[in-house]
Amino acid sequence: ETGVTQTPRHLVMGMTNKKSLKCEQHLGHNAMYWYKQSAKKPLELMFVYSLEERVENNSVPSRFSPECPNSSHLFLHLHTLQPEDSALYLCASSRTGPRTDTQYFGPGTRLTVL
Amino acid sequence: GQQLNQSPQSMFIQEGEDVSMNCTSSSIFNTWLWYKQDPGEGPVLLIALYKAGELTSNGRLTAQFGITRKDSFLNISASIPSDVGIYFCAGSVSSGSARQLTFGSGTQLTVLP
Repeated sequence: ETGVTQTPRHLVMGMTNKKSLKCEQHLGHNAMYWYKQSAKKPLELMFVYSLEERVENNSVPSRFSPECPNSSHLFLHLHTLQPEDSALYLCASSRTGPRTDTQYFGPGTRLTVL
Repeated sequence: GQQLNQSPQSMFIQEGEDVSMNCTSSSIFNTWLWYKQDPGEGPVLLIALYKAGELTSNGRLTAQFGITRKDSFLNISASIPSDVGIYFCAGSVSSGSARQLTFGSGTQLTVLP
């Protein structure tokens, strides 16, 4: 399924910039996730939203700020990032309830911080 | 936190050969998932396993949920060039209303013509 879209696909920003990543799911799901994928490392879960409430924040620095205005949209607001924050940022969605472990991913935003 | 050991880290095979990769954990999982990721794209779900001992196929792909619930394997039969990519296993322990997945570090598959 390719029902999860992310924009932009590529983003280059300076350390003093403020930008936002957007994710939209068209699958009727009600849980959404942000992951960070760095080279040579497993996917790192950043945030989880279930029914529009944040249920998990995996010790992510405050320069990353998520927002989930409704069950179809998820944002990641970025400010004063560091070069080590350069990575592929992936959004995923799933249902809640039985057998909800199956998460569907978007194509990701390749972020480069200069 | 939970960790998954995925092996091998990389594989180089000839087109037409069969492939096997696996994931093991020291913890029990309730669900095992296998994803494939192409360069510059997000992971795409291949197979989902929900029951210990379950064997599920998707075309040339077959995956099994280990009886101990601590491991899973993925087999690809008669590999073709488009099988190239990174394969990830993921496991979850159901808790709460949104599931958290633990991912393996991936197996990079290269198929040689």
